Amino acid sequence: SQQGEEDPQALSIQEGENATMNCSYKTSINNLQWYRQNSGRGLVHLILIRSNEREKHSGRLRVTLDTSKKSSSLLITASRAADTASYFCATQETSGSRLTFGEGTQLTVNP
Amino acid sequence: GAVVSQHPSRVICKSGTSVKIECRSLDFQATTMFWYRQFPKQSLMLMATSNEGSKATYEQGVEKDKFLINHASLTLSTLTVTSAHPEDSSFYICSASDTVGEKLFFGSGTQLSVL
Repeated sequence: SQQGEEDPQALSIQEGENATMNCSYKTSINNLQWYRQNSGRGLVHLILIRSNEREKHSGRLRVTLDTSKKSSSLLITASRAADTASYFCATQETSGSRLTFGEGTQLTVNP
Repeated sequence: GAVVSQHPSRVICKSGTSVKIECRSLDFQATTMFWYRQFPKQSLMLMATSNEGSKATYEQGVEKDKFLINHASLTLSTLTVTSAHPEDSSFYICSASDTVGEKLFFGSGTQLSVL
């Protein structure tokens, strides 16, 4: 079963704007990860944030984690049309255990 | 980053036939691989965990005789959909974890269409 719930389910923005996606989960975790999936393709790992971290950056990506609220957000700054994809959060309860994926957010960046 | 190759990318078959999907880790040894199924506009559903040299562990509700998984080497896992039916039509994706067992590296997926 999927423990992650993401919102919004779909997001449409203009190029240059920021995109924020949220993920909530139910159990305690070791880490939370974000993946991107282009249509009809496999997933690509974007960023991993551990349970003892609150914020992490990678290029135009910023991830926050609030373990008290069991939620995370992914911010993509200065979006580009090429950022159009589905974004999934995934949680791992212990290091090496299975990943549980959220329902995903479909992001469309209009040129 | 680690590369996982999955073939074929697309297959169309007749109902009742079997289809084999291969998943290879190209530049690292994957002791554990995962097989997922994904329906359009939905999330990934874990089908089974494939461990090299041992039997796969299937998730509840996944028929092990229907979806045969073999992980004979540290770089290759295969999923065979036996006696495929139209309801088996879906996007199948394999993945392998890094040495720490945290990040997953995904194949490009296989779109199976059963007529």
